[in-house]
Amino acid sequence: KAGVTQTPRYLIKTRGQQVTLSCSPISGHRSVSWYQQTPGQGLQFLFEYFSETQRNKGNFPGRFSGRQFSNSRSEMNVSTLELGDSALYLCASSPDVTSTDTQYFGPGTRLTVL
Amino acid sequence: GDSVTQMEGPVTLSEEAFLTINCTYTATGYPSLFWYVQYPGEGLQLLLKATKADDKGSNKGFEATYRKETTSFHLEKGSVQVSDSAVYFCALAYTGRRALTFGSGTRLQVQP
Repeated sequence: KAGVTQTPRYLIKTRGQQVTLSCSPISGHRSVSWYQQTPGQGLQFLFEYFSETQRNKGNFPGRFSGRQFSNSRSEMNVSTLELGDSALYLCASSPDVTSTDTQYFGPGTRLTVL
Repeated sequence: GDSVTQMEGPVTLSEEAFLTINCTYTATGYPSLFWYVQYPGEGLQLLLKATKADDKGSNKGFEATYRKETTSFHLEKGSVQVSDSAVYFCALAYTGRRALTFGSGTRLQVQP
């Protein structure tokens, strides 16, 4: 079974631009979560989607948004990029949300904002 | 709010040494506890988990016991290998919620 895939793997943008990152979960998984990893703040939860609905959102500004499609693929969008948005963005998938299922992480998208 | 505190790294050990990475947590409820590992250039992999007090998670020679009385989940391995060099993250989450709260991570370097 293929793992979680994230595209693109690397991205360079300039301040003020917007960016869209994509995540394809493991086949059959319906829950997708996103995390931001930075040297200063560590790993922080962004949001969680299940069956196209956002279930939880972390403490991030409204510039960070996401969605999930009917095939469980998910995208996250960051508008009006700031230098501090430079980070590794990780996506994780799990089968459902009814138990403490293992979350399987993708390799991440490394975003650099210049 | 919930939080996870890990010992500062890096931890540098010689091959076959005993490993302990301390993790303590603060939680408003009764979470499950996890250890994740991140190898260079890769995403996170679940190493082990425990879902209730006194449970012991184990995998690949690593162990951790959920200690409610000391709010701890320390990671141990009896004999580390060079291939264990990575960053280790302690985390918590509640049943039915995907949001993991992570510690700051501890880098382990194992020298031959």
